[in-house]
Amino acid sequence: KQEVTQIPAALSVPEGENLVLNCSFTDSAIYNLQWFRQDPGKGLTSLLLIQSSQREQTSGRLNASLDKSSGRSTLYIAASQPGDSATYLCAVDPSGSNYQLIWGAGTKLIIKP
Amino acid sequence: DAGVTQSPTHLIKTRGQQVTLRCSPKSGHDTVSWYQQALGQGPQFIFQYYEEEERQRGNFPDRFSGHQFPNYSSELNVNALLLGDSALYLCASSLGGMNTEAFFGQGTRLTVV
Repeated sequence: KQEVTQIPAALSVPEGENLVLNCSFTDSAIYNLQWFRQDPGKGLTSLLLIQSSQREQTSGRLNASLDKSSGRSTLYIAASQPGDSATYLCAVDPSGSNYQLIWGAGTKLIIKP
Repeated sequence: DAGVTQSPTHLIKTRGQQVTLRCSPKSGHDTVSWYQQALGQGPQFIFQYYEEEERQRGNFPDRFSGHQFPNYSSELNVNALLLGDSALYLCASSLGGMNTEAFFGQGTRLTVV
């Protein structure tokens, strides 16, 4: 059974720092992995999608990497800003057809001005 | 492009009542998935609709049912509401096929009292 874990559960850093969020999964048989952002009480915003054949994806100050063999993904945020404060979730797609995304519980990020 | 829209945004119901939540997918998308997110947790997959049929279902009781219309919009119905059904209900749309990105609506916050 696929399980997704995100550590740490919460993280607080000063503005301007570079930071890394971690996501691990137990079964390497995945088709893709997505990183999402969720603001309090709100829905989810897709940040990056990495196909299983890819090693990383970049969007602006965000860079996500994927190592299927070790069951790990990282989300790197460069030059953090207070507006980056949110909960970041990762989800793996085991079937390739969005049948059932399997989610981590998220990392709550606070960027202090 | 309005993206994925959900209605209503907030809802309060009494135990035992029935509720219907609605979702309009992103333009061009034909697949709708529903998720339940309890406070502080990652989303849990309820079911997915494609071509007006339930294609896959998560571990939810039959009290949870759905429908997809010819225009690809979808409804989630929950009967005999329990206090434990209180959660954020998220709708995601995607384009049927392999390895496609899921886009989420802002969610419906359901409170059962």
